[in-house]
Amino acid sequence: DVKVTQSSRYLVKRTGEKVFLECVQDMDHENMFWYRQDPGLGLRLIYFSYDVKMKEKGDIPEGYSVSREKKERFSLILESASTNQTSMYLCASSPPLAGISDTQYFGPGTRLTVL
Amino acid sequence: GIQVEQSPPDLILQEGANSTLRCNFSDSVNNLQWFHQNPWGQLINLFYIPSGTKQNGRLSATTVATERYSLLYISSSQTTDSGVYFCAVERNRDDKIIFGKGTRLHILP
Repeated sequence: DVKVTQSSRYLVKRTGEKVFLECVQDMDHENMFWYRQDPGLGLRLIYFSYDVKMKEKGDIPEGYSVSREKKERFSLILESASTNQTSMYLCASSPPLAGISDTQYFGPGTRLTVL
Repeated sequence: GIQVEQSPPDLILQEGANSTLRCNFSDSVNNLQWFHQNPWGQLINLFYIPSGTKQNGRLSATTVATERYSLLYISSSQTTDSGVYFCAVERNRDDKIIFGKGTRLHILP
């Protein structure tokens, strides 16, 4: 079974703090994704990466950056957390060519609250 | 937990044809989204549609929340429409999003 783990299930930070959300997958997947899920807005893509050291902006990259130094790890960084970044953050990974359905594997999510 | 079923699982059409994809869910939901997964695995949000009808170009979607289903219509299909289409629901606020298994659409040139 593919396992995607996220460093924290719940996180509380203060406005202005630098926040790191870590995601690790154990299936040697090339592709990794960061989403946020918000009531009334659903799931939205923040950033994704097709390979080590590669990154691409998703729908809502503003206020975020990412790091992919190793294939198994994809980090989401909030340089200066703001209250509007309070959300559920979901990490996912997938093999390079999605030839079958449900090939995107999600982590359990991190609920971040920024005070 | 809530079950999300999509049909058909696979669909092969000629370019220019129209198609209808269906998503049934077993309980009332707070949110529903349709996604297109491209061959590189990226999920592209198509519609956020907990109820009602929305249209975006050749795509439209209708959700009948009282009857627990949603339909995605694709008109005048193009080869770039190929890929897997997922329906995803959220039962209550703050619940984890639950995906159906998807419909794999293959548009032939």
